[in-house]
Amino acid sequence: QVQLVESGGGVVQPGGSLRLSCAASGFTFSTNGMHWVRQAPGKGLEWVAIIWNDGSKKYYTDSVRGRFTISRDNSKNTLYLQMNSLRTEDTAVYYCARDVWTTDARMLDYWGQGTLVTVSS
Amino acid sequence: EIVLTQSPGTLSLSPGERATLSCRASQSVSSSYLAWYQQKPGQAPRLLIYAPSSRATGIPDRFSGSGSGTDFTLTISRLEPEDFAVYYCHQYGSSSWTFGQGTKVEIK
Repeated sequence: QVQLVESGGGVVQPGGSLRLSCAASGFTFSTNGMHWVRQAPGKGLEWVAIIWNDGSKKYYTDSVRGRFTISRDNSKNTLYLQMNSLRTEDTAVYYCARDVWTTDARMLDYWGQGTLVTVSS
Repeated sequence: EIVLTQSPGTLSLSPGERATLSCRASQSVSSSYLAWYQQKPGQAPRLLIYAPSSRATGIPDRFSGSGSGTDFTLTISRLEPEDFAVYYCHQYGSSSWTFGQGTKVEIK
């Protein structure tokens, strides 16, 4: 069965850096794009970034572009999110999710359980 | 960027009642790229409906989706106790993905 397991969250000071990982199993990782989605405490979902299955394309939401970098290692079935210049407003649970894109639909069909990032001095 | 506005913010209903949730887009959305997710406290979101009326694997048929253009609806025909949760609509378009702010379905 499809499993996505995030790790790497923790407490970091404003201006600091953190790298999140998402270990995938149960499917052929290299055939799917992957997303990061975050959720601030008590708030709704916010899409953060996507990377194409082969890493050829990457897109970001405006608030993280230039600070966050999404990447993947298909040989290790792992997705990453490098977060630099962190701000207090980046505090959230970060989820990885699998992208499914067919001729008729596009969706995020499997999600990990999330990892909490807290940016605080 | 397409903005999705969900209404109402909170829906207070009793088990067995019908729930109708609305998602309105700031500009036209391809129906193929509109989806709905359910999230319960402390859990990850779960895909319910996509494109915009197909149920995801294992989703009971009391959940249905409809709509086109800028107006989409998620309907739960008869609320079961496990359906009380927050629901989000979501769209993809022009290399951008956005979520609505969510509708909380709570027990009346």
